[in-house]
Amino acid sequence: GGIITQTPKFLIGQEGQKLTLKCQQNFNHDTMYWYRQDSGKGLRLIYYSITENDLQKGDLSEGYDASREKKSSFSLTVTSAQKNEMAVFLCASSTLGVYAEQFFGPGTRLTVL
Amino acid sequence: QQKVQQSPESLIVPEGGMASLNCTSSDRNVDYFWWYRQHSGKSPKMLMSIFSNGEKEEGRFTVHLNKASLHTSLHIRDSQPSDSALYLCAATPATSSGQKLVFGQGTILKVYL
Repeated sequence: GGIITQTPKFLIGQEGQKLTLKCQQNFNHDTMYWYRQDSGKGLRLIYYSITENDLQKGDLSEGYDASREKKSSFSLTVTSAQKNEMAVFLCASSTLGVYAEQFFGPGTRLTVL
Repeated sequence: QQKVQQSPESLIVPEGGMASLNCTSSDRNVDYFWWYRQHSGKSPKMLMSIFSNGEKEEGRFTVHLNKASLHTSLHIRDSQPSDSALYLCAATPATSSGQKLVFGQGTILKVYL
């Protein structure tokens, strides 16, 4: 087994601010993902990294940057926070393989004032 | 753009009743479906996956897949209050460059006593 840790748990920012969310996993998984979930809705893929030196855009990458620092960690940056933006950002990881199960972290809840 | 549609948006069933949730992909290249369950304030956890035509049963949960219509359904018999959650359907395209999952908007299930 393993665990995914996301920091911070709650993030409050100002409009136009650059904000960074961090994710660590100890599954020794190769692939990591960032999703955005708006209140009670489905997940939308922002960025993913298949292996340590890879970075792929998802459907919602505009307004975000990502960085895979090492195999176990994956960061997401909101480049310019939008006023009234509220969402939960979920990090996930999986083994290599198109049909690998994804395991999710507890999420970071973002509020922009 | 690929879409995964779930219905109904919400569902209320009595304890002990049967809950039936539906999911359809509009992308003909999809060949693997996932069902995730997300309790309020928690992260999604994989419930079941299916890629073959037919059905798969695990305890009170049964998943059906019709590959011709790209329709999958999740049935929960003897529903319990602890089954109350957001149920997310996701699909993996066979031609996916990487390991992308596309999620539907979810079905909110409430089981009442």
